[in-house]
Amino acid sequence: GQQVMQIPQYQHVQEGEDFTTYCNSSTTLSNIQWYKQRPGGHPVFLIQLVKSGEVKKQKRLTFQFGEAKKNSSLHITATQTTDVGTYFCVTGNQFYFGTGTSLTVIP
Amino acid sequence: GAVVSQHPSRVICKSGTSVKIECRSLDFQATTMFWYRQFPKKSLMLMATSNEGSKATYEQGVEKDKFLINHASLTLSTLTVTSAHPEDSSFYICSARGTGPGSYEQYFGPGTRLTVT
Repeated sequence: GQQVMQIPQYQHVQEGEDFTTYCNSSTTLSNIQWYKQRPGGHPVFLIQLVKSGEVKKQKRLTFQFGEAKKNSSLHITATQTTDVGTYFCVTGNQFYFGTGTSLTVIP
Repeated sequence: GAVVSQHPSRVICKSGTSVKIECRSLDFQATTMFWYRQFPKKSLMLMATSNEGSKATYEQGVEKDKFLINHASLTLSTLTVTSAHPEDSSFYICSARGTGPGSYEQYFGPGTRLTVT
């Protein structure tokens, strides 16, 4: 399947700190989705990005799609313990999951 | 929101037997369902894409004769692991995509933990 890499693989932050995960594809993507999987749970849809350079915000979460549509990022401002989980980018058409970034928030 | 169920949630079987996992969309019709496999602390690996009324499309390296997929209705897809072996032990998770215009997000089931002894 398609290679979609995410960095970092793991991230530990103090509550209140910011967090960013980056997603890189080897090919140009038609669109990209982001999902969150809580420990022991199943992935839950967060957002879809379609346009080159698109930026979308959901409260403390900011999602960005690169100009070349090969990369994307998710930034969380002022993390909370409820943000704990693994964040995956997913290619929108083929639904290949990225490698994921596991976020731990230390209270 | 849309709900997808999976049954069973856990199953233990002996090596050489077959196991069937059901994936149901409870409150919407799903023309497309996806089957994934997830190893501990790893990402989800797409196994196959299942379209209602047609043969599933398997990803490279996934044996279609070992992982039989049937999507007989708009609300049900099944995955049968045939002649299971210990290396098939894993977390299997399905997802469904709705049929309405602009339906692009996947709704995931809670997953099935398969242990082959």
